[in-house]
Amino acid sequence: EAAVTQSPRNKVAVTGGKVTLSCNQTNNHNNMYWYRQDTGHGLRLIHYSYGAGSTEKGDIPDGYKASRPSQENFSLILELATPSQTSVYFCASGDGGQGRKEQYFGPGTRLTVL
Amino acid sequence: GDSVTQMQGQVTLSEDDFLFINCTYSTTWYPTLFWYVQYPGEGPQLLLKVTTANNKGISRGFEATYDKGTTSFHLQKASVQESDSAVYYCVLGADSGYNKLTFGKGTVLLVSP
Repeated sequence: EAAVTQSPRNKVAVTGGKVTLSCNQTNNHNNMYWYRQDTGHGLRLIHYSYGAGSTEKGDIPDGYKASRPSQENFSLILELATPSQTSVYFCASGDGGQGRKEQYFGPGTRLTVL
Repeated sequence: GDSVTQMQGQVTLSEDDFLFINCTYSTTWYPTLFWYVQYPGEGPQLLLKVTTANNKGISRGFEATYDKGTTSFHLQKASVQESDSAVYYCVLGADSGYNKLTFGKGTVLLVSP
């Protein structure tokens, strides 16, 4: 049974519109992450969270907000979507605390901004 | 900051060929190196994790090691199968408070029968 799920799986939005991508995890992990994947760039970190109520900026946060209302849920919000935000977005969860730990990824959301 | 350079953008092999993918890394933290694999339409999934230099990680016929002296790490498999066709990412894990992962750009492996 999938431990990290994302919705929607595909989304078409208009420039200037608001987009919300949702992620749910059943791993009971403290940390959650949002990445985008673009050809030639691998995965790049947008926002992350240590737990409910916390959000932190990653490497490319401009144009994105995040929300972590509970341990299980983490949302990525594009207040004013632009065509440059067309990409595939992945959510991940991972253990908190010290050490170098793996992350577990969802299936991705393909976002197209027209 | 942390960085990972993944050398090969695409590798094309035939079944039973030998696979070797190499990466270099840069970090001020003590590193853990991961290999993630991504199949079409899916998210990346962990293939291997190597926590100590010169130790070998083994999974599903793949082997990985890293060399702290040359700051390089590699993935190899003796005999690839068509089902191994996927994108392979070398990934650096650092000892930061949020368990940051830094991804290479990925290597597309195409295996023909």
